[in-house]
Amino acid sequence: EPEVTQTPSHQVTQMGQEVILRCVPISNHLYFYWYRQILGQKVEFLVSFYNNEISEKSEIFDDQFSVERPDGSNFTLKIRSTKLEDSAMYFCASNQQGDQETQYFGPGTRLLVL
Amino acid sequence: GENVEQHPSTLSVQEGDSAVIKCTYSDSASNYFPWYKQELGKRPQLIIDIRSNVGEKKDQRIAVTLNKTAKHFSLHITETQPEDSAVYFCAASKRDNNDMRFGAGTRLTVKP
Repeated sequence: EPEVTQTPSHQVTQMGQEVILRCVPISNHLYFYWYRQILGQKVEFLVSFYNNEISEKSEIFDDQFSVERPDGSNFTLKIRSTKLEDSAMYFCASNQQGDQETQYFGPGTRLLVL
Repeated sequence: GENVEQHPSTLSVQEGDSAVIKCTYSDSASNYFPWYKQELGKRPQLIIDIRSNVGEKKDQRIAVTLNKTAKHFSLHITETQPEDSAVYFCAASKRDNNDMRFGAGTRLTVKP
């Protein structure tokens, strides 16, 4: 069964550095998402992406965040200048039809900002 | 925006008992309500979902009920087993909006 994959599984970075988190959605999916989960807390929506543009974003997704689909398979989340509070698990998800359909989550990237 | 509240935050039951987790939502336009199970250190996985055109859905030991008037929905797990132990999240989203909002989660412990 196809799965969403994410790399790296863990990343440690210094405050102020840029990080890029990578995701490979399921191949026939058209909608892509990023979520964040701070340790022990709820899953928080960051952004959704369809047809090469952002379709929705939350209040968390400020100017330091950006997303890109640089080729036909990868979907990336860039954090330009990391802050301590960006430490969290970042999940990518995808689905075929967007709203009202199951979203399939990747295994996550655990980001630690020191 | 949508606000999803989830209760209880922790729930401990004996194996074989039932477990009920409740969520409320604020946006009356929300019409899709999935439930995710997340085991420690793993990804959230969908266990059941319900759309607003139905009031109840069942899949073996798991059922979800939806009351649109009251804006609440519940997860029911019957005949609980130790492997049901996990954190369960409810979520809500609306048509033509991909911004899915999660509840705070319920840590379910099933004691053998």
